Amino acid sequence: GESVGLHLPTLSVQEGDNSIINCAYSNSASDYFIWYKQESGKGPQFIIDIRSNMDKRQGQRVTVLLNKTVKHLSLQIAATQPGDSAVYFCASNTGGFKTIFGAGTRLFVKA
Amino acid sequence: EAQVTQNPRYLITVTGKKLTVTCSQNMNHEYMSWYRQDPGLGLRQIYYSMNVEVTDKGDVPEGYKVSRKEKRNFPLILESPSPNQTSLYFCASSGQGNEQFFGPGTRLTVL
Repeated sequence: GESVGLHLPTLSVQEGDNSIINCAYSNSASDYFIWYKQESGKGPQFIIDIRSNMDKRQGQRVTVLLNKTVKHLSLQIAATQPGDSAVYFCASNTGGFKTIFGAGTRLFVKA
Repeated sequence: EAQVTQNPRYLITVTGKKLTVTCSQNMNHEYMSWYRQDPGLGLRQIYYSMNVEVTDKGDVPEGYKVSRKEKRNFPLILESPSPNQTSLYFCASSGQGNEQFFGPGTRLTVL
């Protein structure tokens, strides 16, 4: 069936370095992708999204890249800070309502 | 304050005892959804609702019921809970933009 997966369950980076979290999806009909951040004890929080007619979208310190050819997207966090420590989920929508989440990558930021 | 609220936040119950987890949003969102989160599996969609009286199954609907009689409320009903429904549950809502706003979560334990 349809799936969304992350390449690494954990990622450890030094404070100030850039972080890259990867995600792959299986359904070529997926047309909307979202990255969420989940801190301990809280619900997921929206970070950035991208639609299938785009390759790149930038926010504040975050960039999402979408490669439809290989069905891959990535989240880049610039100048990673201790407050970025969390679990990051990618999710895909097909047709707007059904959402598939990946398993998540836990980001550790070393001071 | 724009928010999604869930009640209760924590619940311990026994097998077979019917329970309801409430979800309410104050953002006038059309779309609402329920997820369960289990270690290593990310978030899996249980049910979603596109608007009042319109609901559909997600990936793991077995053992759950929902209703959408009012726009702001989307309760999750477990008619006969079983231990495999022990999980962390999240309700979410979204408007036209597809970005979902999540509640704080309900941790359910079924003994």
